[in-house]
Amino acid sequence: DVKVTQSSRYLVKRTGEKVFLECVQDMDHENMFWYRQDPGLGLRLIYFSYDVKMKEKGDIPEGYSVSREKKERFSLILESASTNQTSMYLCASSFMRIRRQPQHFGDGTRLSIL
Amino acid sequence: EDQVTQSPEALRLQEGESSSLNCSYTVSGLRGLFWYRQDPGKGPEFLFTLYSAGEEKEKERLKATLTKKESFLHITAPKPEDSATYLCAVQAVLTGGGNKLTFGTGTQLKVEL
Repeated sequence: DVKVTQSSRYLVKRTGEKVFLECVQDMDHENMFWYRQDPGLGLRLIYFSYDVKMKEKGDIPEGYSVSREKKERFSLILESASTNQTSMYLCASSFMRIRRQPQHFGDGTRLSIL
Repeated sequence: EDQVTQSPEALRLQEGESSSLNCSYTVSGLRGLFWYRQDPGKGPEFLFTLYSAGEEKEKERLKATLTKKESFLHITAPKPEDSATYLCAVQAVLTGGGNKLTFGTGTQLKVEL
């Protein structure tokens, strides 16, 4: 079974802090994704990566950056956290070589910015 | 721009009362349509992939179907454990690197005894 592990289930931070969210997958997937999920807005793609050190902006990248130094690990960084970044953050991974493969998700990090 | 609309937003059923959830989409060439189930406080769990119009997939009480404009998730004789949010997503042919998905906002299903 595919395992996508997010380092924290719940996180509380203060405005202006630099926040790191970590994600690790164990299936040798090339693609990794970061989403945020808000009521009524669904899942929105922040950033994705299809190879080590490669990254591409998703639909809402402002205020975020990412890092992918190893194939299995993808980090989301909030450079200076703001209250409007309070949300559920979901990491996912999938194969790139095989099209139509589903993305597999972690259980999410519920982040509160005070 | 790819778009996915799910209806209804919420659905309440009695145990055993069959129904269908709708996912309508516009996409510049469909590579695949995906259904996920999401329980409260958890990440989405993959259910089905559909590739072409006329295709059907089944799993226990769930059956997913696909036309050129929409997909249906049919739930037959549902049980309380089927209560969850069901998400639909599409992958376009011209998706570039990363095989991106566009998600709908989901249907929240509650099945009562």
